[in-house]
Amino acid sequence: KAGVTQTPRYLIKTRGQQVTLSCSPISGHRSVSWYQQTPGQGLQFLFEYFSETQRNKGNFPGRFSGRQFSNSRSEMNVSTLELGDSALYLCASSLAPDRGDSPLHFGNGTRLTVT
Amino acid sequence: AQSVTQLGSHVSVSEGALVLLRCNYSSSVPPYLFWYVQYPNQGLQLLLKYTTGATLVKGINGFEAEFKKSETSFHLTKPSAHMSDAAEYFCAVSDATSGTYKYIFGTGTRLKVLA
Repeated sequence: KAGVTQTPRYLIKTRGQQVTLSCSPISGHRSVSWYQQTPGQGLQFLFEYFSETQRNKGNFPGRFSGRQFSNSRSEMNVSTLELGDSALYLCASSLAPDRGDSPLHFGNGTRLTVT
Repeated sequence: AQSVTQLGSHVSVSEGALVLLRCNYSSSVPPYLFWYVQYPNQGLQLLLKYTTGATLVKGINGFEAEFKKSETSFHLTKPSAHMSDAAEYFCAVSDATSGTYKYIFGTGTRLKVLA
C-alpha cells in the first residue's frame, strides 16, 4: 500500500507570493492533518480535515488555508508569503480519527524556502 | 490542556550503550501515547504506541517504552544503541478534551550516536 505522498518535495518562493502544497493520503484514510516544522518552534499543528470538513485548526493566521477533496486528497495554501513561513510542511493521514489510538502516518514533507 | 515534555533536546550515547529518552505528559486521565522517529529529510515514522493493557510496549528497531501512570511518564529505551538510531524522536499524546482527538507533540529529542 502506498504511503502518504506530498508534492512538491522542495519549493522556493519569494516574499509576497502564494504557494499551494498537495497531499495524497494512504488509500482508505479520510483524515488529513497538516503540520509546520521549524527548528525553533518544533511541530506546530495547522489544521485537520475529515470528509472534506475542517475539524480542527491551529493558531495560524488566515494566510494559511486548506481544503480536502472528495477523494481525501488535501491541499494547503499560504498566501502573501513571509520569510518566517520557511519550514518543512508535513502532511499526515489517519484511518480512524475518532479513535485516539489511531496513529498518524506522515509523508516526507514539502520543504518551503521563502526568500 | 494536555502537554508533553521531553527532557533534553539533545542526547548523545556511545554505540552499544543504553538509549533513554524521557517523556512526561500532563493528565490525570491516561491518554493514548506514541513515540515517533524522524530521520533527516523524512517525515515522522511511528515507533510504538500505548493504548491500554500491558504497560511495557515493544516497538520497531528494538525500541520499547514503559507507561508509568504514577509518574505520568512514557520513556523510550533501547538496550544497545546503533549508529542507525541517530535521528530525532518525538513523544506524542492523543487527547480528546476538546471534543475531538488531537495529537500533541513534544519538542523532540535529537539522538546522536558516537562511534
